Amino acid sequence: GDSVTQMEGPVTLSEEAFLTINCTYTATGYPSLFWYVQYPGEGLQLLLKATKADDKGSNKGFEATYRKETTSFHLEKGSVQVSDSAVYFCALSSNSGYALNFGKGTSLLVTP
Amino acid sequence: GAGVSQSPSNKVTEKGKDVELRCDPISGHTALYWYRQSLGQGLEFLIYFQGNSAPDKSGLPSDRFSAERTGGSVSTLTIQRTQQEDSAVYLCASSPGDLETQYFGPGTRLLVL
Repeated sequence: GDSVTQMEGPVTLSEEAFLTINCTYTATGYPSLFWYVQYPGEGLQLLLKATKADDKGSNKGFEATYRKETTSFHLEKGSVQVSDSAVYFCALSSNSGYALNFGKGTSLLVTP
Repeated sequence: GAGVSQSPSNKVTEKGKDVELRCDPISGHTALYWYRQSLGQGLEFLIYFQGNSAPDKSGLPSDRFSAERTGGSVSTLTIQRTQQEDSAVYLCASSPGDLETQYFGPGTRLLVL
């Protein structure tokens, strides 16, 4: 079945550091891929998405590119801020189902 | 506009009691989803509604769990005879239609003592 694997955290970075959170997936067909973010005490928010191969999703300085050849959707940001501290979830939505399949989540802590 | 809302935000109950969790989707969204977020299992899909019907109940963990949706809007997730392993955050999401972006509510944190 469909599944998502993302790097385990916690990840601790200094402010202005470069961020990469790895995400790989297994799916049949051509899934849509998502990054959701959960800030402390808040619900899940959509951060960015990509619906087909080679698409790049971007939002708030974060980017991720849908790489079908490596079945990956790594999240990157060039310069993180303290306010980026949150848990990040990679997810996929297959074109044959309705449910989102989530990775386990990666906790990010950015220190001043 | 208003997002997905859920109530209650927190619920503490005793083992064996029944609980009802409510979800109000974004107005006009025809698809509604329930997920469960727990420490050990991460985010798990429970059930999906299109309108008032539930074509995918594959994620419901046992027959103690049921859900309904009325008027194509509000949905209720019911857990009967709660067990301690039911303790989790229950998340509701809605989307404008099938296979479209899902928008999540803040969740209901359930604690079964």
